[in-house]
Amino acid sequence: LAKTTQPISMDSYEGQEVNITCSHNNIATNDYITWYQQFPSQGPRFIIQGYKTKVTNEVASLFIPADRKSSTLSLPRVSLSDTAVYYCLVGDGRNTPLVFGKGTRLSVIA
Amino acid sequence: NAGVTQTPKFRVLKTGQSMTLLCAQDMNHEYMYWYRQDPGMGLRLIHYSVGEGTTAKGEVPDGYNVSRLKKQNFLLGLESAAPSQTSVYFCASSFRPTRGGYGYTFGSGTRLTVV
Repeated sequence: LAKTTQPISMDSYEGQEVNITCSHNNIATNDYITWYQQFPSQGPRFIIQGYKTKVTNEVASLFIPADRKSSTLSLPRVSLSDTAVYYCLVGDGRNTPLVFGKGTRLSVIA
Repeated sequence: NAGVTQTPKFRVLKTGQSMTLLCAQDMNHEYMYWYRQDPGMGLRLIHYSVGEGTTAKGEVPDGYNVSRLKKQNFLLGLESAAPSQTSVYFCASSFRPTRGGYGYTFGSGTRLTVV
């Protein structure tokens, strides 16, 4: 399984754009990059997934460079409610369940 | 549509007691998973199931057993609880992954304390 490395924590002010970068140097050809969000006392929830280039949905954008050895989750104009732990996962999910690391704890400050 | 429901939500056990955590999903998902989450450790996979009647070990299976007798239910059993099993337990389910393993739906968790 591809190992991921992401910052342990980040702080941001409300209204700012937040970018969380995840490194996955040994990503395999069939692997996808998936991000989950976890609020306190809740289970994680899927927010975005991509294979290459850029993916955007109503919650976030995911940027993946051509070599796919890293990815960046971008949260536009964060609010206090975006305070959560964000997990970067890499895998194809078919042969082995996804492995969650420790994630990045994002704290949004008013 | 309830999604993934975990029962109970909270439980306190004495060392050596046994209990079963129930996970039920109503989305017709083939795959189901049990994770535990400890402070600063992220989520660690205990056991999972790729279909009714199947189970497989994850990263930290010792001390736990599971059963998937019905497609919609996945049970996690602790035969003899230990303080090291104090944790928050999350159940998740998904369709058979076709790519990327996206779309895990998680329950709200069971907070278990073993004293």
